[in-house]
Amino acid sequence: GAVVSQHPSWVICKSGTSVKIECRSLDFQATTMFWYRQFPKQSLMLMATSNEGSKATYEQGVEKDKFLINHASLTLSTLTVTSAHPEDSSFYICSASGYSGANVLTFGAGSRLTVL
Amino acid sequence: ILNVEQSPQSLHVQEGDSTNFTCSFPSSNFYALHWYRWETAKSPEALFVMTLNGDEKKKGRISATLNTKEGYSYLYIKGSQPEDSATYLCASGEGKLIFGQGTELSVKP
Repeated sequence: GAVVSQHPSWVICKSGTSVKIECRSLDFQATTMFWYRQFPKQSLMLMATSNEGSKATYEQGVEKDKFLINHASLTLSTLTVTSAHPEDSSFYICSASGYSGANVLTFGAGSRLTVL
Repeated sequence: ILNVEQSPQSLHVQEGDSTNFTCSFPSSNFYALHWYRWETAKSPEALFVMTLNGDEKKKGRISATLNTKEGYSYLYIKGSQPEDSATYLCASGEGKLIFGQGTELSVKP
């Protein structure tokens, strides 16, 4: 079946540094990838939609200069948290569509970011 | 803006119990309703995608129903097992899914 690999699974960084999270579709071409953020006890909140070869579409309230998304190939999308601050500490998870229909999502396992 | 709600937030049952939980969503402009099963430290796994009013789907001991007119879906687990322990997410939408906050199920041996 479809597999999406997300790395790193957890990362700790200092304030002011940038962190890159990768999301790879291993056995299918992902035409669209989605990035979500989850705060404790809350639902997955869509941050942005990433289409291969074009600029990402950000949801209202998500700073595009803070959360840089690149979808350079049909199998890789990256999320870079720039100049990270403690309030950026969260759980980030990606999903990809393109396998078994456009409306069926395959998720990565998520990345836990802690900014000191 | 879609608002998807799930209840209960958490559920503790004994092995062998049958259980069910609810996902409610706005019935206007409905496209599809998804159920995912999410075990700790793993990827959410798609269980069902449902689109038609009255739809019922089954996968082993897990089944789901859909009422698009009143905006709710039920997920049922028959004879719960410890390996069913997970968070069950529902989501509504097309492509860009709006998720509920999940129901955390714990099945005790």
